Amino acid sequence: GESVGLHLPTLSVQEGDNSIINCAYSNSASDYFIWYKQESGKGPQFIIDIRSNMDKRQGQRVTVLLNKTVKHLSLQIAATQPGDSAVYFCAENILGYSTLTFGKGTMLLVSP
Amino acid sequence: NAGVTQTPKFQVLKTGQSMTLQCAQDMNHNSMYWYRQDPGMGLRLIYYSASEGTTDKGEVPNGYNVSRLNKREFSLRLESAAPSQTSVYFCASSASGTSGSRNEQFFGPGTRLTVL
Repeated sequence: GESVGLHLPTLSVQEGDNSIINCAYSNSASDYFIWYKQESGKGPQFIIDIRSNMDKRQGQRVTVLLNKTVKHLSLQIAATQPGDSAVYFCAENILGYSTLTFGKGTMLLVSP
Repeated sequence: NAGVTQTPKFQVLKTGQSMTLQCAQDMNHNSMYWYRQDPGMGLRLIYYSASEGTTDKGEVPNGYNVSRLNKREFSLRLESAAPSQTSVYFCASSASGTSGSRNEQFFGPGTRLTVL
């Protein structure tokens, strides 16, 4: 696949560990946030989203936390598996606007 | 339900050649987008179309043109390719603009373009 991950921050974990991927967003007016997963050679895939009226949202094995005071978003993956190895992007949006602003991404490497 | 499809998957061009990247979505989405992705750079928006009949520049529009052919299709054209346009190109769509919709974008599989 293409070298999407070149020069990206990398988080290396062992299978079964919990992973936390962080993202600082830029616009205090943003009120909708998304986490995407991108596997090698594929397009980004939606994982979970959160609106600014919430500070936590849980999915299957994933939790997103939002701290609007410091403009920080995190993605927690429980019991990380080798299939979770990918690049993870956060994206921010102002509801009513069509475009998303993407972060640079973090590469997650999970070793068995 | 194929989601977002892109053609071609791979393309090699010589400097100065032209080509059109095709994108189609079958989710009846209002909005469509073209991004490029370079190593370590994340996704950068080239152009988008918030609704059928409209197009707007994104962050890196120079050297590209787009056409929103109908609600389903959004094409990206390189009139005179340059080596700096070597990249992976992703098309995306969203229901943005529909009452009550989220702005989640759905991505195609990408086109890997090399300009020699």
